Amino acid sequence: DAGVTQSPTHLIKTRGQQVTLRCSPKSGHDTVSWYQQALGQGPQFIFQYYEEEERQRGNFPDRFSGHQFPNYSSELNVNALLLGDSALYLCASSLRQRETQYFGPGTRLLVL
Amino acid sequence: AQTVTQSQPEMSVQEAETVTLSCTYDTSESDYYLFWYKQPPSRQMILVIRQEAYKQQNATENRFSVNFQKAAKSFSLKISDSQLGDAAMYFCAYRSGSYNNNDMRFGAGTRLTVKP
Repeated sequence: DAGVTQSPTHLIKTRGQQVTLRCSPKSGHDTVSWYQQALGQGPQFIFQYYEEEERQRGNFPDRFSGHQFPNYSSELNVNALLLGDSALYLCASSLRQRETQYFGPGTRLLVL
Repeated sequence: AQTVTQSQPEMSVQEAETVTLSCTYDTSESDYYLFWYKQPPSRQMILVIRQEAYKQQNATENRFSVNFQKAAKSFSLKISDSQLGDAAMYFCAYRSGSYNNNDMRFGAGTRLTVKP
């Protein structure tokens, strides 16, 4: 039973660039949520995708956008990168929106 | 807005001993869910235990148990017979019971060290 997978594991970008992070949910799950975890802090909710639509969004600017594909995998896109976007980006999947979320290993993004 | 507070940035326990990690939360809702997640150095957030607010019985998973005090808005995690593999960051999280509110609110975490 494959768990949640994310790619890449690490990424280095410069300010102003754009980045795309990818997530494949746990087998059988149809909902994907994205979180940003700054160093030394707990994760913060970015948004949730279900049935290929953004269902809920946290307090993040429009520079953060996403997509969910028919196979339930998801992408997180961040435009015009800022130094403050450096963080661990976690993807979590669940069966339906209301069920327990299971996390992937994360993508560590460093913005220089 | 719901907030989660973990007042212990760091805790230490001797191997085979018991340790309790504290968590308090603030909410005006009556229906919600509480979680403890473990994040080892590998970074992967692992679900430890889950508690539904409508259940009075405290959740238990092997060596992990919670003390859920709804009136006090407290949700502590007890780890019995601590093992070296328990060393990690532990995060307490809250999720609303409202259908349209599915995000989880996390505390700042407690770093647990297990001494051999």
